[in-house]
Amino acid sequence: EAGVAQSPRYKIIEKRQSVAFWCNPISGHATLYWYQQILGQGPKLLIQFQNNGVVDDSQLPKDRFSAERLKGVDSTLKIQPAKLEDSAVYLCASSLGKQGLYNEQFFGPGTRLTVL
Amino acid sequence: AQSVTQLDSQVPVFEEAPVELRCNYSSSVSVYLFWYVQYPNQGLQLLLKYLSGSTLVKGINGFEAEFNKSQTSFHLRKPSVHISDTAEYFCAVSLSNDYKLSFGAGTTVTVRA
Repeated sequence: EAGVAQSPRYKIIEKRQSVAFWCNPISGHATLYWYQQILGQGPKLLIQFQNNGVVDDSQLPKDRFSAERLKGVDSTLKIQPAKLEDSAVYLCASSLGKQGLYNEQFFGPGTRLTVL
Repeated sequence: AQSVTQLDSQVPVFEEAPVELRCNYSSSVSVYLFWYVQYPNQGLQLLLKYLSGSTLVKGINGFEAEFNKSQTSFHLRKPSVHISDTAEYFCAVSLSNDYKLSFGAGTTVTVRA
């Protein structure tokens, strides 16, 4: 079974530029998560989708970050414009999303963003 | 809100020696507890989880953890480590009615020959 795919794996941009990350979850997984992992910290949830609807985006800096999951499968996370403090690894995870049950989250390899 | 504290940021250990990684959580309601491992340039992989039942939980790769409600701890142990256990380990917590994960800052384990 294929795992969670993410691209690109690495990205270097200058501040104030835009960047987009792509995630393809495990087939059949209804729930998709984006996390931000700053060096020396644990991952922090940015946004959670259930199919193509947003469940939780309370920690997403909406003035510069946006995310979508148009057909309930792939997802894109965008930053516009980027700031130095956005340098981090962006992790995508997915789970089956069965309501009322524990569903293990499976993580992709992440995209390492460096903002200069 | 729930939170997690990992008490050691770095743990060096010799091959075949035991290791313990400490994790404390705070929450006023029931929680689920997890340990994840992250190898270099890879995503997180679930090592083990506590949802309910026996407080001693066994996971993959010979790891185990014990849930201690009175001490609000969930320490991870392995009796004999290998070089391949060199990685970063994250403790995480979620509310029992909401599976959103809150992670600790991580513990870097370096196993030396």
